[in-house]
Amino acid sequence: SQTIHQWPATLVQPVGSPLSLECTVEGTSNPNLYWYRQAAGRGLQLLFYSVGIGQISSEVPQNLSASRPQDRQFILSSKKLLLSDSGFYLCAWRSGYTGELFFGEGSRLTVL
Amino acid sequence: AQSVTQPDIHITVSEGASLELRCNYSYGATPYLFWYVQSPGQGLQLLLKYFSGDTLVQGIKGFEAEFKRSQSSFNLRKPSVHWSDAAEYFCAASNRDDKIIFGKGTRLHILP
Repeated sequence: SQTIHQWPATLVQPVGSPLSLECTVEGTSNPNLYWYRQAAGRGLQLLFYSVGIGQISSEVPQNLSASRPQDRQFILSSKKLLLSDSGFYLCAWRSGYTGELFFGEGSRLTVL
Repeated sequence: AQSVTQPDIHITVSEGASLELRCNYSYGATPYLFWYVQSPGQGLQLLLKYFSGDTLVQGIKGFEAEFKRSQSSFNLRKPSVHWSDAAEYFCAASNRDDKIIFGKGTRLHILP
């Protein structure tokens, strides 16, 4: 069966520091992968999605970037965090058979 | 632009009462439609989805949703809510194999 893992689960970082959140999927190949951010009152905001290695679509111009170095690995990064980057980040993969998204456990980022 | 609207940020109902959560979408063609639930501190779980066919869709936990093309709506319903249904509910939409866009969510409160 397919599983999705995100880490770290919790992160507290100072403003201006770098960020790396990692997501890996097991049990499926060539998945469509997504990064969402959930902030209070704003729902789930799509940040990036990827349909294959090295293929990244950015939905919102911002301080973040994403990379997909391997088929089942999706990384969210920043060179210098801003206060506004605080939030709950969710990685997800989409089943080609059912069309639904399966979410990781999430990473809560607090920027101080 | 594609969008999903959940007009109610908060809804409060008494335990045992019926529930309807509203969702409207704006897409060029009929999209795939989803409802997800997020309990406090938890990830997102799929309640139900609509791709085509019967416009009344049954999901888990006793939920159902009705697709109405004329109203561009996909409202979620439950005949009798339980205290454990208190959570945040997200409507989402996508074209096939495309990004999935979420509404801002409706937080459901249950009165004893």
